[in-house]
Amino acid sequence: AQTVTQSQPEMSVQEAETVTLSCTYDTSESNYYLFWYKQPPSRQMILVIRQEAYKQQNATENRFSVNFQKAAKSFSLKISDSQLGDTAMYFCAFRGGGADGLTFGKGTHLIIQP
Amino acid sequence: NAGVMQNPRHLVRRRGQEARLRCSPMKGHSHVYWYRQLPEEGLKFMVYLQKENIIDESGMPKERFSAEFPKEGPSILRIQQVVRGDSAAYFCASSPPDSGSSYEQYFGPGTRLTVT
Repeated sequence: AQTVTQSQPEMSVQEAETVTLSCTYDTSESNYYLFWYKQPPSRQMILVIRQEAYKQQNATENRFSVNFQKAAKSFSLKISDSQLGDTAMYFCAFRGGGADGLTFGKGTHLIIQP
Repeated sequence: NAGVMQNPRHLVRRRGQEARLRCSPMKGHSHVYWYRQLPEEGLKFMVYLQKENIIDESGMPKERFSAEFPKEGPSILRIQQVVRGDSAAYFCASSPPDSGSSYEQYFGPGTRLTVT
């Protein structure tokens, strides 16, 4: 079974700073997908970024980028120029090669201070 | 294109009652997933369904919980004889039948179940 670990329960940074959220996972599969989801106070789950394991290039979406280290089974999220609206819970998630359910980490509560 | 719809958004049940949670996937989506989120926890996978078929129910409690996704109508997550420990947010997600194998999941707003 896959496991996803987020070792930072809470992080706090000043607005406009850069912050990195860590995530490690364990799997024996070679083909899989990794995701970062954002959950603001509204509780709506919003997909932030996605990475396919077979792609060596790190995914980027505007201010959000990942550092995917396949050998180390590490998948960290970097948020540049952080904004107040980035305040939320952030969940790292893993999915195997098929149309399976996602395995989530316990989340990191990110607080952006004005 | 409307997103994933869930209703009700909030549901209060007394211990021993039944809870029925509904999920309408995005238009064109044929895969539905149910997740449960306990307070201060991440989401836990419960069940994966396609139309009229349960594909994977490995995360579903063996008793009192059932799910269906009929040919017509929404997917239903049913919890019989609810207990206080069932209090949680229940999320539904859907994905299209073939999205280049990424099967990206789109989440609904969730149903918060409170058992009194």
